[in-house]
Amino acid sequence: GNSVTQMEGPVTLSEEAFLTINCTYTATGYPSLFWYVQYPGEGLQLLLKATKADDKGSNKGFEATYRKETTSFHLEKGSVQVSDSAVYFCALSVFYNQGGKLIFGQGTELSVKP
Amino acid sequence: GAVVSQHPSRVICKSGTSVKIECRSLDFQATTMFWYRQFPKQSLMLMATSNEGSKATYEQGVEKDKFLINHASLTLSTLTVTSAHPEDSSFYICSARDSAKNSNQPQHFGDGTRLSIL
Repeated sequence: GNSVTQMEGPVTLSEEAFLTINCTYTATGYPSLFWYVQYPGEGLQLLLKATKADDKGSNKGFEATYRKETTSFHLEKGSVQVSDSAVYFCALSVFYNQGGKLIFGQGTELSVKP
Repeated sequence: GAVVSQHPSRVICKSGTSVKIECRSLDFQATTMFWYRQFPKQSLMLMATSNEGSKATYEQGVEKDKFLINHASLTLSTLTVTSAHPEDSSFYICSARDSAKNSNQPQHFGDGTRLSIL
């Protein structure tokens, strides 16, 4: 079946540190991959996406590259800010045979200290 | 950008009450919407797929008589938690995708509803 595995949190970093949150997936077919961010008490916001192998999604300094050979979609940012503190979810969607529903990883909480 | 409005944002009520949560796509049409449940510090669990004009598709283990879904129009889906009990307390989130765009487009999420049953 389809599944997503993320590195466990919480992850605590100092401001301006380098961030990596690992995400690997298992999927039948050709999934699209997403990173969503959830700030406390809020819903999810799309951070970035990639729809095919070797695509790189990027937004607000965050990047992730769709690696089919390693079935990974790791999230990176070169210099985190306190405002990046949130929970980050990796997700996949296999549209054609699953109606477009998203399958989420367990989420990784990031805490950035000044 | 695409906006999904979810209402109410917070509900506190007594055990046995039925609670209705609305999910609206404000600037696009959505033939399909999704309802998720999130427990504290956990991931989102898909409960059901709401289909405009037809029955919802429920995930395994989700009681369809407990969680009633109605997708009455192309911009509105409702989730009703019937005879809610404390174990139904959770954060419920809906999402929708623009039906006019291709299937590679991402879902847009509402801000969620915090349901607390006393």
